[in-house]
Amino acid sequence: EADIYQTPRYLVIGTGKKITLECSQTMGHDKMYWYQQDPGMELHLIHYSYGVNSTEKGDLSSESTVSRIRTEHFPLTLESARPSHTSQYLCASSEALLGYTFGSGTRLTVV
Amino acid sequence: DQQVKQNSPSLSVQEGRISILNCDYTNSMFDYFLWYKKYPAEGPTFLISISSIKDKNEDGRFTVFLNKSAKHLSLHIVPSQPGDSAVYFCAARGGSNYKLTFGKGTLLTVNP
Repeated sequence: EADIYQTPRYLVIGTGKKITLECSQTMGHDKMYWYQQDPGMELHLIHYSYGVNSTEKGDLSSESTVSRIRTEHFPLTLESARPSHTSQYLCASSEALLGYTFGSGTRLTVV
Repeated sequence: DQQVKQNSPSLSVQEGRISILNCDYTNSMFDYFLWYKKYPAEGPTFLISISSIKDKNEDGRFTVFLNKSAKHLSLHIVPSQPGDSAVYFCAARGGSNYKLTFGKGTLLTVNP
């Protein structure tokens, strides 16, 4: 059973709409991450958090924003979706120096 | 500038044979390396890892080899099974930095 949950799994939305991708984990991990991946490409870190009220931008510039009000919850928001935002978004969490646990991802299509 | 490189986009092997997936890195600060497996429409799942103080780590059918001088690591799968067909990502982390840097992945196809 998954310990990190992402919803929705798939989303098709029109240009200009505001969307929030949800990510929750039940492992009590302090560290959480958002990656963006296009087919055949590497995973790019777009946001990360090392704890409540701590958020940082990742290596890849993104128009999205994140918040970390609770340890278990790390939602990602796009204020105005564009076709260039079409991608797969992967949420992950980690404890100390161990590897990541990933969610199943959200496949976003902006039309 | 890619710090983790997987130069083979795809690899096809016969069931029962060995699969060897390769990964090169450029950042000498990387000290921990991981392999993830990803099926379509799912998130990556952790397979095996290796610390830079080791040159080999084995877990069942999966073995990771690290050559620090060459900045190269490889994942061996023996014997390969059709269920191993997936995209395999190499990832690396440096020092106290918890962020992982990923390669582009290699699509492994194991033919029955």
